Amino acid sequence: GAGVSQTPSNKVTEKGKYVELRCDPISGHTALYWYRQSLGQGPEFLIYFQGTGAADDSGLPNDRFFAVRPEGSVSTLKIQRTERGDSAVYLCASKDSGNTIYFGEGSWLTVV
Amino acid sequence: GDSVTQMEGPVTLSEEAFLTINCTYTATGYPSLFWYVQYPGEGLQLLLKATKADDKGSNKGFEATYRKETTSFHLEKGSVQVSDSAVYFCALNQNSGNTPLVFGKGTRLSVIA
Repeated sequence: GAGVSQTPSNKVTEKGKYVELRCDPISGHTALYWYRQSLGQGPEFLIYFQGTGAADDSGLPNDRFFAVRPEGSVSTLKIQRTERGDSAVYLCASKDSGNTIYFGEGSWLTVV
Repeated sequence: GDSVTQMEGPVTLSEEAFLTINCTYTATGYPSLFWYVQYPGEGLQLLLKATKADDKGSNKGFEATYRKETTSFHLEKGSVQVSDSAVYFCALNQNSGNTPLVFGKGTRLSVIA
C-alpha cells in the first residue's frame, strides 16, 4: 500500500535490552515524525526530521532514545537499555505538501 | 506553547443520537486544525481538517468548524452508529514550517445499539 509502514507491529523485549523500530514513510514526503502514545493518552511528540536531519528532537525523553534517517526516507528509532516505562505504542508519521500528517499503525513495544 | 483541550470521556451514546465532542485550542497565529480517530486495535486515521477560520471540515457524516473567535473546533455528528465507537483526538499544527502536531488527550466514544 501507499501508507506509512512501521515494523515490527509488536515487540516484546526484556528490560535492559536494545530495540530498533523502523518507519517507511509515504513516498515523496520529506517531513517525518515520531510520536509515543501511552495507554489512555494522546500521542506525544518525540522527534521530527526534515530530509536527513533531525530538525527538532526536543521531545526525546532522555539520551537512551535516538533516531536516524540516513537517506531521507526510512527512519529508525533506537532505544537503549529499555525500561518498563518505555512500554507504549510508537507512532511514525509523514507529512504531505498540504500540511496533512499521516500516521502508520504503530509499533507496540512491551518491556518486561 | 500551543495546546489543545478536549472534553474528557468516556462518552456513551445510543445509536442515532447526536454527538458533540468539544475541542478548544491555544496557539499563536493561524494553525491548521484536525480531528483524528483511532478505532480499537488500529492506528490513528485523519478524520477531517480545516486550515483557516470559518472553514468546515467534513467526512463520514462528521463535521467541525474552525471558530477563531472562540478558538474552538468542536466535532459533531447528527446520528452516530455503533461503528463510530473509537477514540477521537483533536490536534493542531502551525502552517509555517514542519512543526509537529499537538494533540489533545482524546475522547473515547462508545455507541450502543
